[in-house]
Amino acid sequence: KNEVEQSPQNLTAQEGEFITINCSYSVGISALHWLQQHPGGGIVSLFMLSSGKKKHGRLIATINIQEKHSSLHITASHPRDSAVYICAVSPWKAAGNKLTFGGGTRVLVKP
Amino acid sequence: NAGVTQTPKFQVLKTGQSMTLQCAQDMNHEYMSWYRQDPGMGLRLIHYSVGAGITDQGEVPNGYNVSRSTTEDFPLRLLSAAPSQTSVYFCASSTRTLGQGASDGYTFGSGTRLTVV
Repeated sequence: KNEVEQSPQNLTAQEGEFITINCSYSVGISALHWLQQHPGGGIVSLFMLSSGKKKHGRLIATINIQEKHSSLHITASHPRDSAVYICAVSPWKAAGNKLTFGGGTRVLVKP
Repeated sequence: NAGVTQTPKFQVLKTGQSMTLQCAQDMNHEYMSWYRQDPGMGLRLIHYSVGAGITDQGEVPNGYNVSRSTTEDFPLRLLSAAPSQTSVYFCASSTRTLGQGASDGYTFGSGTRLTVV
């Protein structure tokens, strides 16, 4: 079993819909990261969380440390949100803050 | 602009050739790392560094060398390129502590797409 599991693997939404991506992990962590990668593009760090909730524009990330679970929400989705979203964790005391990655969720938002 | 700069963006090599992928950051981050991204395999750690003069192997280090002579630079060397090294390579840097400060966290470079023929 992978240490970081994401669901769903693929998601298609209509413009304006509310999108939720889930991430579960099985190790103790110092932080959880949500990353975004557009097709053929680089990786952008959206959020780093160790507790609670963060919001940036239409994106909201939450984490429940006790349940080892995080969610990324996209409100009022737009075609430019089409990308792969990757959950990654920094395991507790991992040398160099090494990241362990989930498999990614491919999101397509149709106009 | 502050961040992680990777060069080149694209490269084609012949089997057996060597080359260096450059990575530089200007955020005074202590930690730097190299990942490769392959379809179906996700992102995997090649090498990482916790400071100038200190490097260590990641999950897939074979065929690659690194050095960290300064805080800013972390080049990745392919010693003798093989088709299995065809991939997209990402350099990343992070602060030592992953607190909740505005400057904490991870920053990735824009990637190098390498093809070995």
